Amino acid sequence: GAVVSQHPSRVICKSGTSVKIECRSLDFQATTMFWYRQFPKQSLMLMATSNEGSKATYEQGVEKDKFLINHASLTLSTLTVTSAHPEDSSFYICSALSGGAWGETQYFGPGTRLLVL
Amino acid sequence: RKEVEQDPGPFNVPEGATVAFNCTYSNSASQSFFWYRQDCRKEPKLLMSVYSSGNEDGRFTAQLNRASQYISLLIRDSKLSDSATYLCVVKFTGGGNKLTFGTGTQLKVEL
Repeated sequence: GAVVSQHPSRVICKSGTSVKIECRSLDFQATTMFWYRQFPKQSLMLMATSNEGSKATYEQGVEKDKFLINHASLTLSTLTVTSAHPEDSSFYICSALSGGAWGETQYFGPGTRLLVL
Repeated sequence: RKEVEQDPGPFNVPEGATVAFNCTYSNSASQSFFWYRQDCRKEPKLLMSVYSSGNEDGRFTAQLNRASQYISLLIRDSKLSDSATYLCVVKFTGGGNKLTFGTGTQLKVEL
């Protein structure tokens, strides 16, 4: 299947700092990528849909000024958590949409664990 | 009511057992259905899509009942390596390519 990478795999930062997470589709182009967040023992929650060359679409309750998304190329989307707080500590997972003969499939990156102290 | 509901488990079963997971969804305008597998501290990986007629992939069988808004996953001859959390995932009509995830059912296969 298609490969999606994320960097960094884990990050620890101080409260108030900003953290950038990269999501790359390695062997296909993705005009659409998704950003999810998963808290312990909870389901993945979609935060936003990242569209190449246009503004991201945020889900209800997700602050667009806090979670900045940039999808500058067909293989890269970035999520920046600005002014991070301990409650932002979570598992952030991206996915990239790949078209195929049987329709479009989301391929997930390995995730980024964020711990805000 | 959650859009996608699953029994969180855990289901503790001996190796070789048959185990079934159920999932219900609330939106009748649901388009596509999937089972994903998520290992501890890893990303979810697609296990199988679920088709209206039911489908099988080796030891795994998925069923869909649109009238009852119910999806199931049957695992036969459980292996230790099947231990994971199984996520029921639904794509709703009109939701674009957004996926809605259940909280998952944890399976532990024991010797």
